[in-house]
This record gives sequence, structure tokens and C-alpha cells, in this order.
Amino acid sequence: DTEVTQTPKHLVMGMTNKKSLKCEQHMGHRAMYWYKQKAKKPPELMFVYSYEKLSINESVPSRFSPECPNSSLLNLHLHALQPEDSALYLCASSQGGLAGPNTGELFFGEGSRLTVL
Amino acid sequence: GDSVTQMEGPVTLSEEAFLTINCTYTATGYPSLFWYVQYPGEGLQLLLKATKADDKGSNKGFEATYRKETTSFHLEKGSVQVSDSAVYFCALRSGGSNYKLTFGKGTLLTVNP
Repeated sequence: DTEVTQTPKHLVMGMTNKKSLKCEQHMGHRAMYWYKQKAKKPPELMFVYSYEKLSINESVPSRFSPECPNSSLLNLHLHALQPEDSALYLCASSQGGLAGPNTGELFFGEGSRLTVL
Repeated sequence: GDSVTQMEGPVTLSEEAFLTINCTYTATGYPSLFWYVQYPGEGLQLLLKATKADDKGSNKGFEATYRKETTSFHLEKGSVQVSDSAVYFCALRSGGSNYKLTFGKGTLLTVNP
């Protein structure tokens, strides 16, 4: 199993809603990532979990709240988002911890396309 | 800080044409270099990688050589197919950037039959 599975594939939410994006991998990877990608742009790193601990937060607004319940799961909780937060949210994982070998080899999910009205 | 510069697209080629997408980098120390590909409506996939100078990464007919003297990692393919139409991202990872991946801006390739 070499897949990273993200749900939902599409999400439309109002600015007052609370929703969550979910990500799952069963490759035994110990680093998991959230990226945000706007159209025609490269992915922008948001958060990195290494061995289930938050290692990197790229100064992301608190309306985005990550959670790593266990080594296979990664969530992104969304609350009070703005229309400019509309984007493709990509989850990724890599072998080992953040500074471990092969951690440039990210395995990406297909993404959750978020629209904030 | 680390940075990646890749040729801006879009690049439009006919099937069986030769492809080059240029990529140069600035990094602390000795980075690992990567090419990722994103097909329409999908996430990114690792296409190939090189972890030290003069290494050549290859996959699916694509090749790139880690050139330390020119700080480059150009992507090439001898004969492109319609199915190669995608966005290609050059990326690097180094300890100087806390092991985060630094991406280039991406190059959209369209291959016409």
C-alpha cells in the first residue's frame, strides 16, 4: 500500500462553519505534512508532524488547526475561514522523521479542494 | 535561504519532441534534488531524485543530472508523449532549510498529438 488517502475530495463551507480534512497513510511513514496549493502555484508548506509531534508550523493562522491522532492519521480542523483560504489542500507523508533519510521523497494524496463562500 | 529557479512555462511541444526544463538552485551545504510531477486534478508524484553531485536520476524516460559546478538539475526527455502533459516542479531539500522541501514555481508542459 503506497497511498495517501485524503477525504473529502471536495468541500464547500461558509465562513462560520467548522469542518475537518482527513488524511491517512499505512506505509509506516513517521513524518506527515499539510500543504496548501493555489491554482498555478507550487505547494506551500503549512505544518509538519514528525513522530506524531508538531515539528513545523509555518506561521499558519489559528483558524487552521492540525491534529495527529496516531502515526497513520492527520487531520486539519477548519474554523472561521476566509474566501482567500479556498485552495487545494494536500497531505503528504515521508519515511522516517523530519530529518531522517529519504524525507525529500514525499508521497502526496490527491488533495481536498476547499471552497469558502 | 534556499531557492529554486525553474524556467517559466507554459511549454508546448509536439509528440516525440525533445524536452528540456531548466532548473537551478541556491542552497546551504549539499542539498538533495528532486523533480515532482502533478497531472491534472491530482496530487504531486516524485518523478526522480539525486542526492549527491554527478548523480543522475531517471524514471519513465526522464533524466536529470545533479551538477554542483553549475548548481543545476535540468529535466530532459528524448521523446515526449501526450500523457506527459502535466506541471513539473523542481525541488530541493537541505539541512539549511530545516529539511523542508523548497519548490520552484512549476512549469506547465502541454504535449500535442
